[in-house]
Amino acid sequence: QSVLTQPPSVSEAPKQRVTISCIGSSSNIGNNAVNWYQLLPGKTPKLLIYYDDLVPAGASDRFSGSKSGTSASLAISGLQSEDEAIYYCSAWDDSLHGVVFGGGTTLTVL
Amino acid sequence: QMQLQQWGAGLLKPSETLSLTCGVHSDSFSDFYWAWIRQAPGTGLEWIGEINHGGSTVYNPSLKSRLSISVDTSKRQFSLKLSSVTAADTAIYYCAKVIVPTATRAFDIWGQGTMVTVSS
Repeated sequence: QSVLTQPPSVSEAPKQRVTISCIGSSSNIGNNAVNWYQLLPGKTPKLLIYYDDLVPAGASDRFSGSKSGTSASLAISGLQSEDEAIYYCSAWDDSLHGVVFGGGTTLTVL
Repeated sequence: QMQLQQWGAGLLKPSETLSLTCGVHSDSFSDFYWAWIRQAPGTGLEWIGEINHGGSTVYNPSLKSRLSISVDTSKRQFSLKLSSVTAADTAIYYCAKVIVPTATRAFDIWGQGTMVTVSS
C-alpha cells in the first residue's frame, strides 16, 4: 500500500492526451514538491517533472505537471508508442520524514 | 555531462551485508545531495536514504536500523551498506543525484542500477 495513490493503469490512443493522477495528503503533496518519473523496461528511471510543474533539461515538453491541494497530475500530450511505460509520482513526507512514491501507473498507447 | 557509475556484489546470502558504491564523474560533487533508491521485482520504487558532501544523512525509517550511507568527497563517491539482508531486500538498487533545489527531493541523474539478489 503506497502512501501516494495512483491508478494502476491508463490507456489512450496515439496523438491524444492522457492524465495520471497522484493523490496524497497534507503531510506530503499538500506541503511539498511533487515529482514524476518514467520507467521504461530495462532502462533507468527518468525524471519528467519536478517541483510540481518544472520540466528538467532533457525531458520532453509534451509532459506537464500540476498540483491542487493534496493531489497532483501528470499530463502527456501527443501520445506516442514510445510513451508506453510505468509512471511514478513522488514527494517528501513530513510525517514519515522521507521520500514516498506512488504505486506506479502503466500507460498503454492503444 | 555528469555520470554516475555504481558497483558492488550482486548475489548475497541471507544475513550478509549489502555493499554498493557510486562514483560521480563530475567536478561539482560537493554541490549536491546524493541518494539511493531501489525497486524490488514486480513492485514500485522505494527511497532508501540520502547524504550530502558533509556526511549528513537521512534514512528511510523502515530501513534505518540496518542502513549506513557514507561519502568520500576526495574520491567523489558515496556508498550504501545494508546489513542482515533477507530475500525481501532483493531488488535493483540505484544511486542518484538530487536536483537543485534540494527540497524537491527529485532525482535527475541515475546510476545504471545494480541487481542484488539475496538467496541461500
